[in-house]
Amino acid sequence: SQQGEEDPQALSIQEGENATMNCSYKTSINNLQWYRQNSGRGLVHLILIRSNEREKHSGRLRVTLDTSKKSSSLLITASRAADTASYFCATTSYGKLTFGQGTILTVHP
Amino acid sequence: ETGVTQTPRHLVMGMTNKKSLKCEQHLGHNAMYWYKQSAKKPLELMFVYSLEERVENNSVPSRFSPECPNSSHLFLHLHTLQPEDSALYLCASSHGFVGPIAGQYFGPGTRLTVT
Repeated sequence: SQQGEEDPQALSIQEGENATMNCSYKTSINNLQWYRQNSGRGLVHLILIRSNEREKHSGRLRVTLDTSKKSSSLLITASRAADTASYFCATTSYGKLTFGQGTILTVHP
Repeated sequence: ETGVTQTPRHLVMGMTNKKSLKCEQHLGHNAMYWYKQSAKKPLELMFVYSLEERVENNSVPSRFSPECPNSSHLFLHLHTLQPEDSALYLCASSHGFVGPIAGQYFGPGTRLTVT
């Protein structure tokens, strides 16, 4: 397996529900970032959490980081149809940013 | 997305063609990147330029040749590609290279199809 693995690979929910995606990694990191990608488009940086931080919020996004378990989670609260996209975690380690394979989130209206 | 632009957005080329992808960033960043995104695979970092110097080349075949004439522009020159090179090619930029501290900004990508 590789650095930055997301779980689940695909998630389907109804509008208004919360969506939780998880990311696990293997090596020590400087920071962990979450990105969103709409179909066939570029990635959009959502949030960055440093290795000495445990939780961070941005609007409806909440990211947690557990360095002892080498894992992070992204929670999207009160999801909207417009949140439908692929979500990637990426870890920065020794100056290198490595992406996972992503979670495909579908939010049904 | 308008901070980083890429042209063309779509490209179809034969295996004997030579073409170039262009990326331009308007964010005042000093590091630029080329990524390859294929179906069902993680985003693959191809090249990194910091202050116009190539600082990383992740074992990319020589049929891909990057060029960074200044801190705002990045090119990817393509020649004698293979069908398996068909993918979405993404350009990104960031402020600072060593340990990206504020995230990377991505362009919309070029969808490349090699026939």
